[in-house]
Amino acid sequence: DVKVTQSSRYLVKRTGEKVFLECVQDMDHENMFWYRQDPGLGLRLIYFSYDVKMKEKGDIPEGYSVSREKKERFSLILESASTNQTSMYLCASSKGHSNTEAFFGQGTRLTVV
Amino acid sequence: GDSVTQMEGPVTLSEEAFLTINCTYTATGYPSLFWYVQYPGEGLQLLLKATKADDKGSNKGFEATYRKETTSFHLEKGSVQVSDSAVYFCALIPLSGSARQLTFGSGTQLTVLP
Repeated sequence: DVKVTQSSRYLVKRTGEKVFLECVQDMDHENMFWYRQDPGLGLRLIYFSYDVKMKEKGDIPEGYSVSREKKERFSLILESASTNQTSMYLCASSKGHSNTEAFFGQGTRLTVV
Repeated sequence: GDSVTQMEGPVTLSEEAFLTINCTYTATGYPSLFWYVQYPGEGLQLLLKATKADDKGSNKGFEATYRKETTSFHLEKGSVQVSDSAVYFCALIPLSGSARQLTFGSGTQLTVLP
């Protein structure tokens, strides 16, 4: 079974802190994605990556950056956390160029106080 | 651009009722279509998928048929259970072009009462 693992289920951080959300997949998938999910706004794509050291902005990249140094790991970085970044963050991965489904991690509920 | 329009919720049903959640899409070419389910506090799980016109995806009693002529992929279940209470997302990936990320609908909250 494909497994996408996010490092934390729940996280509480202070305003201004640098926050790292980690995601690891074990199926050798080329594509990895970070979404945030907010009530009434659905899922919004923050960043994605199709290859190691490659990254592309999604729909709402402001205030975030990403790192993909290894194929299996995709990190989301909040450079200076703000209260409006309190949200559920979902990582996903999928295989190469095919139009197959993405597999999701269990989510990280981040609260910025 | 590609888009997915889903029936707005929340939807509340009694156990054993029939469920339909409408989903229509706009896309160039023939995308692959998916239904994902999200149980409370969890990530998204793939429920079913269809990759070409007239395909029927099915899983756990849920079904959806890829209708090219109406650009629809409606989710149905004949008899819902309390355990089906969750948020359901319709999504697509285009067949052509460079995009590999899913485009999601807004999600439909389903609550099933005993």
